Amino acid sequence: SQTIHQWPATLVQPVGSPLSLECTVEGTSNPNLYWYRQAAGRGLQLLFYSVGIGQISSEVPQNLSASRPQDRQFILSSKKLLLSDSGFYLCAWRETGVEQYFGPGTRLTVT
Amino acid sequence: GQQLNQSPQSMFIQEGEDVSMNCTSSSIFNTWLWYKQDPGEGPVLLIALYKAGELTSNGRLTAQFGITRKDSFLNISASIPSDVGIYFCAGQLGNQFYFGTGTSLTVIP
Repeated sequence: SQTIHQWPATLVQPVGSPLSLECTVEGTSNPNLYWYRQAAGRGLQLLFYSVGIGQISSEVPQNLSASRPQDRQFILSSKKLLLSDSGFYLCAWRETGVEQYFGPGTRLTVT
Repeated sequence: GQQLNQSPQSMFIQEGEDVSMNCTSSSIFNTWLWYKQDPGEGPVLLIALYKAGELTSNGRLTAQFGITRKDSFLNISASIPSDVGIYFCAGQLGNQFYFGTGTSLTVIP
């Protein structure tokens, strides 16, 4: 069966510091991968999605970037965090079907 | 991006009551999905709907894909305390998914 992992689970970072969040999926190959941000428990905002290694589509201009160095690994990064980057970051995957499945999330607090 | 209007925003109901929530869009979607999210966790997929008019059940949950492909509803029958959470609808178009703003459900024992 497929599983999706995200780490870290929680993170507190100062403004201006770099960021790296990792997402990995097991038990599937060539999935579509997604990064979402959720503020205040509502409203999932799509940040990036990827249909293959090295292929990244950005939905929202911001100081975040994403990379997919391996088939089942998706990384969200920033060179300098802003206060507005605080939120709950969710990774999701989708295989050949339509359904999309989410990971457990990373709670990021920028101070 | 696409806008999905989900209502109601919140509901407070007595245990045992039925619940109904819906999602509408100005755009046509290929698929509708319904998720439930518990605090501090990722959303969990409840039901997926694949074609217009489709009515699908999953235990006490029933969802329908609107004929116009621009709306969907979710019903929960005989609510129980563990139904508490935030419910999201999502419309799928190509590789992208668009989410509603969520319905917060509180079940009073």
